Amino acid sequence: DTGVSQNPRHKITKRGQNVTFRCDPISEHNRLYWYRQTLGQGPEFLTYFQNEAQLEKSRLLSDRFSAERPKGSFSTLEIQRTEQGDSAMYLCASSLVVSGANVLTFGAGSRLTVL
Amino acid sequence: GEDVEQSLFLSVREGDSSVINCTYTDSSSTYLYWYKQEPGAGLQLLTYIFSNMDMKQDQRLTVLLNKKDKHLSLRIADTQTGDSAIYFCAERASGTYKYIFGTGTRLKVLA
Repeated sequence: DTGVSQNPRHKITKRGQNVTFRCDPISEHNRLYWYRQTLGQGPEFLTYFQNEAQLEKSRLLSDRFSAERPKGSFSTLEIQRTEQGDSAMYLCASSLVVSGANVLTFGAGSRLTVL
Repeated sequence: GEDVEQSLFLSVREGDSSVINCTYTDSSSTYLYWYKQEPGAGLQLLTYIFSNMDMKQDQRLTVLLNKKDKHLSLRIADTQTGDSAIYFCAERASGTYKYIFGTGTRLKVLA
């Protein structure tokens, strides 16, 4: 297994366009998270899936953001009508519980630049 | 409230020990975590500590937990230039599935 894979690694788009990011988690991990990270900040939680069910979504997330995990494997994060404030690194993580600790494994991220 | 705080920068000389500090707010956290982020990469788990422990040692890493003060620290012995990175502490917010990360401490190791 090559770890958590995210695509594309970089995306430059014009304001108002839609973008979609894909995350392929580690195959045996049933938990999947999306986070957003801006320069100089720690990752900020966006949403959580357990298998195909989206169990939690940040209250800070506008309705322009939607995420899916249709078969409990890969996940997509779509941002509609992008704004310059959406420019950030979007991180995906999958996890497995190890001796009671929920260990998140992160992908390298998808960097979004909105012009 | 949900808040994890860290100092922003730390600079040490190669071979010295580094101590990175973190304060958290959720006293019900069962586990507390330390992650490392190198430039252009995602976060990598370094270590974690169960809340009923005061200390955990893992090779060059020592984690100290003071539950009374909600203070967590990460000590890196014999710091190397390859340890230069951003270090994040994290806890799970009670009653939710989300993990809260600190703002990160940028460690710079001088040769």
